[in-house]
Amino acid sequence: KNQVEQSPQSLIILEGKNCTLQCNYTVSPFSNLRWYKQDTGRGPVSLTIMTFSENTKSNGRYTATLDADTKQSSLHITASQLSDSASYICVVSANSGYALNFGKGTSLLVTP
Amino acid sequence: SAVISQKPSRDICQRGTSLTIQCQVDSQVTMMFWYRQQPGQSLTLIATANQGSEATYESGFVIDKFPISRPNLTFSTLTVSNMSPEDSSIYLCSVGQGARNGYTFGSGTRLTVV
Repeated sequence: KNQVEQSPQSLIILEGKNCTLQCNYTVSPFSNLRWYKQDTGRGPVSLTIMTFSENTKSNGRYTATLDADTKQSSLHITASQLSDSASYICVVSANSGYALNFGKGTSLLVTP
Repeated sequence: SAVISQKPSRDICQRGTSLTIQCQVDSQVTMMFWYRQQPGQSLTLIATANQGSEATYESGFVIDKFPISRPNLTFSTLTVSNMSPEDSSIYLCSVGQGARNGYTFGSGTRLTVV
């Protein structure tokens, strides 16, 4: 069964600090992995998308890494801001069609 | 990437009634989907909205409960029928734009059934 596991479930950090969110998956055959940011009451917004051959991809203060061998990904947030408070969702696609496999998300709270 | 307008953004409904959610895209898209996100849970695919034919439903979801329309390549509706408190969730539409652009989501409809 294709699964996507995220950790931690929730995280509280001080403004200006860095943090790293984890995503482990068992989806096979792997097609791509996306990180989304979902603000409370809003739809998810794409941060990064990585295919099998990509190890790192950045989007401003967000840097995602992918290790396709160990089936792990991380999302690193640098110099956090209050507006980074949101749920971060890892989504993995298999080669078989359009089906997306969603993690439950990591809820991040950045405090002053 | 495509811009999606989803409405209503939220609603509070009485049990036994129905609510229709609309999703308008600013460009023609082939792949259009409807998701449900229950409190504290990840997104679950309800169905794929097919233009010109009946929607394709995932296991656990049926047309009588979640009828879907897709009259053209830019618009779709999802109806939540005969609602009960268990239907309280966020409902999202999404469009697929290929591997390069990925999937874009609407802003969601937060539904509360009382």
